[in-house]
Amino acid sequence: GAGVSQSPSNKVTEKGKDVELRCDPISGHTALYWYRQSLGQGLEFLIYFQGNSAPDKSGLPSDRFSAERTGGSVSTLTIQRTQQEDSAVYLCASSLPGASNNEQFFGPGTRLTVL
Amino acid sequence: RKEVEQDPGPFNVPEGATVAFNCTYSNSASQSFFWYRQDCRKEPKLLMSVYSSGNEDGRFTAQLNRASQYISLLIRDSKLSDSATYLCVVTFNTNAGKSTFGDGTTLTVKP
Repeated sequence: GAGVSQSPSNKVTEKGKDVELRCDPISGHTALYWYRQSLGQGLEFLIYFQGNSAPDKSGLPSDRFSAERTGGSVSTLTIQRTQQEDSAVYLCASSLPGASNNEQFFGPGTRLTVL
Repeated sequence: RKEVEQDPGPFNVPEGATVAFNCTYSNSASQSFFWYRQDCRKEPKLLMSVYSSGNEDGRFTAQLNRASQYISLLIRDSKLSDSATYLCVVTFNTNAGKSTFGDGTTLTVKP
């Protein structure tokens, strides 16, 4: 079946612009996660959703970052007034809670470059 | 101190070598533990879960020591295709929730 998909795959924007990143999880996966990964670094947790609610927003770097999920499926991560330090790969993952290993399945990521 | 710390590497080993990676975590309430593999410019993929009793999958063996808050991954008979970055992952809920990734250990297996 289809895996996690993300769009766009690449996004180049100017400093100060807003961007919206999209994640389509695997059908039936109720948990959804957003991470970001800077070049040569590990994954930084941003937020996770259980259904449409976000029990843990602790990783969002600033109030310029927000995320929502509707219908228990698609999620969007919005970055307002982008800064150069926002440049990174933004990864989305989904999982099926209750599965024996709670494996997270990752999408290919959105590479964001802020000029 | 980071919540999850790994040997930074890089590890450069010849084919056939045995190599071990270590990972420590700071939150004693952590409940689920995993090793993920990430190839260059690709997304991470689950390699194996880590259980208290230890578990083995072919050439890969994972161990968990809750008392020492320590996780390990052993790779035997290394293959060229094992070259990747190995990420230690800790989750604070067995069902779902925040997952903390280590920065990864890079392995290069050479002919």
